[in-house]
Amino acid sequence: NAGVMQNPRHLVRRRGQEARLRCSPMKGHSHVYWYRQLPEEGLKFMVYLQKENIIDESGMPKERFSAEFPKEGPSILRIQQVVRGDSAAYFCASSFREGGTEAFFGQGTRLTVV
Amino acid sequence: GQQVMQIPQYQHVQEGEDFTTYCNSSTTLSNIQWYKQRPGGHPVFLIQLVKSGEVKKQKRLTFQFGEAKKNSSLHITATQTTDVGTYFCARIAGGTSYGKLTFGQGTILTVHP
Repeated sequence: NAGVMQNPRHLVRRRGQEARLRCSPMKGHSHVYWYRQLPEEGLKFMVYLQKENIIDESGMPKERFSAEFPKEGPSILRIQQVVRGDSAAYFCASSFREGGTEAFFGQGTRLTVV
Repeated sequence: GQQVMQIPQYQHVQEGEDFTTYCNSSTTLSNIQWYKQRPGGHPVFLIQLVKSGEVKKQKRLTFQFGEAKKNSSLHITATQTTDVGTYFCARIAGGTSYGKLTFGQGTILTVHP
């Protein structure tokens, strides 16, 4: 039973490029949450998605960031025109149902913008 | 938003010493979760507390939820080098975003052998 799979584990982008981060939730999980962790800081909620729906995007920056969770395939967090301040670890978590007892986190994608 | 404050930010201990991290909220919490993140790793769920005054133990780890459900603590007895990492408390949002976690800032634990 594979856990939450994120890829790539490490991503280097030049300023102005696009970054695409993928998250495949655990089998049977239909709720996905994305979090961002800046160096030596806690995790900040970005967006909560269910299949084909964005439930809560209150933590997403208003520009350049978007997320989707299509009917088929992984959830995608897309960052357009990256800037140095986007450098962070991006984690996704999945749960079987809303507010499942525990959130299962992926290994994260470490994004470095140069 | 409703935040949870966590102290201390850093804690250095000698192996064998005890360690405690505290989590406080200005509002009543429906529940609180604790996670551990090893250096370079991802958060791993440790426990969830729901009831007022609840105390749960996992080997050397003791978790408490305050009577007023506004604070929580994690205590590690006789730390080992394997305890190194960052410990986070998190509250779970309700309403339409049920399941969304708001994390404390975390306590970074260093254990010196």
